[in-house]
Amino acid sequence: AQKVTQAQTEISVVEKEDVTLDCVYETRDTTYYLFWYKQPPSGELVFLIRRNSFDEQNEISGRYSWNFQKSTSSFNFTITASQVVDSAVYFCAPGGQTGANNLFFGTGTRLTVIP
Amino acid sequence: DTGVSQDPRHKITKRGQNVTFRCDPISEHNRLYWYRQTLGQGPEFLTYFQNEAQLEKSRLLSDRFSAERPKGSFSTLEIQRTEQGDSAMYLCASSLQGNFQPQHFGDGTRLSIL
Repeated sequence: AQKVTQAQTEISVVEKEDVTLDCVYETRDTTYYLFWYKQPPSGELVFLIRRNSFDEQNEISGRYSWNFQKSTSSFNFTITASQVVDSAVYFCAPGGQTGANNLFFGTGTRLTVIP
Repeated sequence: DTGVSQDPRHKITKRGQNVTFRCDPISEHNRLYWYRQTLGQGPEFLTYFQNEAQLEKSRLLSDRFSAERPKGSFSTLEIQRTEQGDSAMYLCASSLQGNFQPQHFGDGTRLSIL
């Protein structure tokens, strides 16, 4: 079964600081997908990114960037120049076994951006 | 483009009662998922449908839980003889067909058992 560890339970940063959220996963699959979701105080889970295990290129989308290191089973997420609206719980979620299509969520990291 | 819609937003019921939740997925999505989220935890997978076929069920889905998607559009999740431990947020998501297409979530139904 898949497993994910987000060791940082809560992080607080001051607005405009950069912050990195760590994600370490375990999987027996040779090919797999990884996801990040954001859950703001309103509660709705918002899809941020999907990455497959074939592609180890880092990805940047605006202030967001992701660092995928297959060798260390990590898929870290960096927010540059954080804003108050970034305050949320962030979940890293590996996909389940191929064919199952379900996601395995960890306990998430609660990010608070202080103005 | 409407997103995933769940109804009701909040349900309060007494222990032992039956409850039913509804989920309307994004119209072009043929996959539909149910998750449960308790306070301080991430969502836990319950079950998923491709069209009207229920293809996967978690062992979290006890005999008291049943999900249907009769015409491949909306889905219902019923919990019979509710227990205190059923108190949670029930989340529905939908996606396009294909390997691990991004799942888009609704606002959830919060179930409170008195």
